[in-house]
Amino acid sequence: QKEVEQNSGPLSVPEGAIASLNCTYSDRGSQSFFWYRQYSGKSPELIMSIYSNGDKEDGRFTAQLNKASQYVSLLIRDSQPSDSATYLCAVNMNTGTASKLTFGTGTRLQVTL
Amino acid sequence: KAGVTQTPRYLIKTRGQQVTLSCSPISGHRSVSWYQQTPGQGLQFLFEYFSETQRNKGNFPGRFSGRQFSNSRSEMNVSTLELGDSALYLCASSLWGSYNEQFFGPGTRLTVL
Repeated sequence: QKEVEQNSGPLSVPEGAIASLNCTYSDRGSQSFFWYRQYSGKSPELIMSIYSNGDKEDGRFTAQLNKASQYVSLLIRDSQPSDSATYLCAVNMNTGTASKLTFGTGTRLQVTL
Repeated sequence: KAGVTQTPRYLIKTRGQQVTLSCSPISGHRSVSWYQQTPGQGLQFLFEYFSETQRNKGNFPGRFSGRQFSNSRSEMNVSTLELGDSALYLCASSLWGSYNEQFFGPGTRLTVL
């Protein structure tokens, strides 16, 4: 089982629709979770961080966390063509005496006109 | 506030050579993490430095090494380059470590011929 799993996509949504991106993780002790957006040829850009169960909203983005189900998701409302990118889920995981950020392989989102 | 900077942006080397990449974190950030990104493996954690000490290390051979200076700037070195080392090398800085939000630099694109 991969440590952080995402559907690779592509996920295709029409402009103006809601895009729903999902991520599951294996470490039940993980405490911090992040969503990054990466355009082709660019570096990852932090969109959202979430630390507690429930929803966290920032503009058109909502992150949802369910630690019991080891599941984190990202909703993008009113999707725009400029949202077309790869979305990376990242989870802070303990590795003995230290911790590291572990990334999923990303979900490619395509917003169509 | 200035973002994370990485130099050089592009590098072309031949097998057997060595390379040094540099990263300057966001002012005030003390943690610097390095990642390797390839199309096949995604984002893989290399190591994290905090206050000039390596705090965590990923599953990479000893040819990959790094260090951090007292001003939090970091360098990573790859010796005896192999074709498979061709990748985008990303540096990310955070206040205290992977529990906190990490911000990525633009990356160094390394091509090994």
